[in-house]
Amino acid sequence: NAGVTQTPKFRVLKTGQSMTLLCAQDMNHEYMYWYRQDPGMGLRLIHYSVGEGTTAKGEVPDGYNVSRLKKQNFLLGLESAAPSQTSVYFCASRHQQGYGKNIQYFGAGTRLSVL
Amino acid sequence: KQEVTQIPAALSVPEGENLVLNCSFTDSAIYNLQWFRQDPGKGLTSLLLIQSSQREQTSGRLNASLDKSSGRSTLYIAASQPGDSATYLCAVRPENSGNTPLVFGKGTRLSVIA
Repeated sequence: NAGVTQTPKFRVLKTGQSMTLLCAQDMNHEYMYWYRQDPGMGLRLIHYSVGEGTTAKGEVPDGYNVSRLKKQNFLLGLESAAPSQTSVYFCASRHQQGYGKNIQYFGAGTRLSVL
Repeated sequence: KQEVTQIPAALSVPEGENLVLNCSFTDSAIYNLQWFRQDPGKGLTSLLLIQSSQREQTSGRLNASLDKSSGRSTLYIAASQPGDSATYLCAVRPENSGNTPLVFGKGTRLSVIA
């Protein structure tokens, strides 16, 4: 039972480069989320999705894009990376409200450094 | 706007001590509250989830309580062990149609000294 899987685990980019972070979940969850975690700032929501083909902006969406083409996958893209995007990125997923306990599950994180 | 505060930011206790971690939130209109644990360099693991209609939830040595009207939750850890050392985060889901994301506190970093 894999749960929420994030790839890659680590990445170093140069300013201006692009990359895509992949999140995959095998629990048939409707909702998926992308967060970033920075020292002293806590967890901040970047974008989220309430179902296949839908996305919505979170607290800090600028500089990021997302896509949810398949229910089990949620992609986070950086089109032109900036040093301010150096962070640890977490993906999470859960069932829709009213379905089971509504627990949110997290991936192990992606550590991204932008030089 | 819902805000979640966890005090203290860090806590150090000797092994065997019972301890309480605090979480407060500004808007009592919540759907549920979750406590998570995060080990260094790892993701978050859900410990306990309390629905808004519940007063407490227990799992092993952990007990979480919820006082929605006063905007407070506590996580009680009995007979603490060095393996309990981690950051503990509290998060609330605002009450609405069901789409609202969790609002997180910044966590309490717990060290249990052997």
